[in-house]
Amino acid sequence: AQKITQTQPGMFVQEKEAVTLDCTYDTSDQSYGLFWYKQPSSGEMIFLIYQGSYDEQNATEGRYSLNFQKARKSANLVISASQLGDSAMYFCAMTLNQAGTALIFGKGTTLSVSS
Amino acid sequence: GAVVSQHPSRVICKSGTSVKIECRSLDFQATTMFWYRQFPKQSLMLMATSNEGSKATYEQGVEKDKFLINHASLTLSTLTVTSAHPEDSSFYICSAAGSPSNQPQHFGDGTRLSIL
Repeated sequence: AQKITQTQPGMFVQEKEAVTLDCTYDTSDQSYGLFWYKQPSSGEMIFLIYQGSYDEQNATEGRYSLNFQKARKSANLVISASQLGDSAMYFCAMTLNQAGTALIFGKGTTLSVSS
Repeated sequence: GAVVSQHPSRVICKSGTSVKIECRSLDFQATTMFWYRQFPKQSLMLMATSNEGSKATYEQGVEKDKFLINHASLTLSTLTVTSAHPEDSSFYICSAAGSPSNQPQHFGDGTRLSIL
């Protein structure tokens, strides 16, 4: 079975600073995908970034980058130059690369950005 | 981009009422849809996997007779909370997967269900 662990219940950062949200995962499968989603207080799930298990380069999407360390089974999200609008809940998730498999989520990290 | 529509966004109803939530994929065929439940400040917990034209697969501990799932077409899945009670109050959110399976699953905006 797959498992996602996020050990930081809450993180606090000031505007314009970078922040790293931790995520470790556990699976015996070799082919899988790792995702980060943002959930603001309104509830919608916003896709941020994706990393495939066979991708050799770390994924980047604008201010978001994923620090993928396969041997350590970690997939940390780095947000550069934090903005007030980044305040939200962040979830790390994974799925196997098989049709019809669900995303399994970590417990989430609440990020608070202050001015 | 791909869009998933979920409605209603909010429901408040009396105990004993059955509530139907719809999840539609608007611009792609979703062979598989997923239903999650989320309590305040907690993670999304998978309730069931819904495949078009077949019975849903429920996660352990989820009552299939309480949470009826129908996936009658490639663009629509419904979750019906039957005879809802206050403990069923929660945030329900669906997602849809097209192909390939490693592409991000697209989520509806969720339904806040409050049972009085």
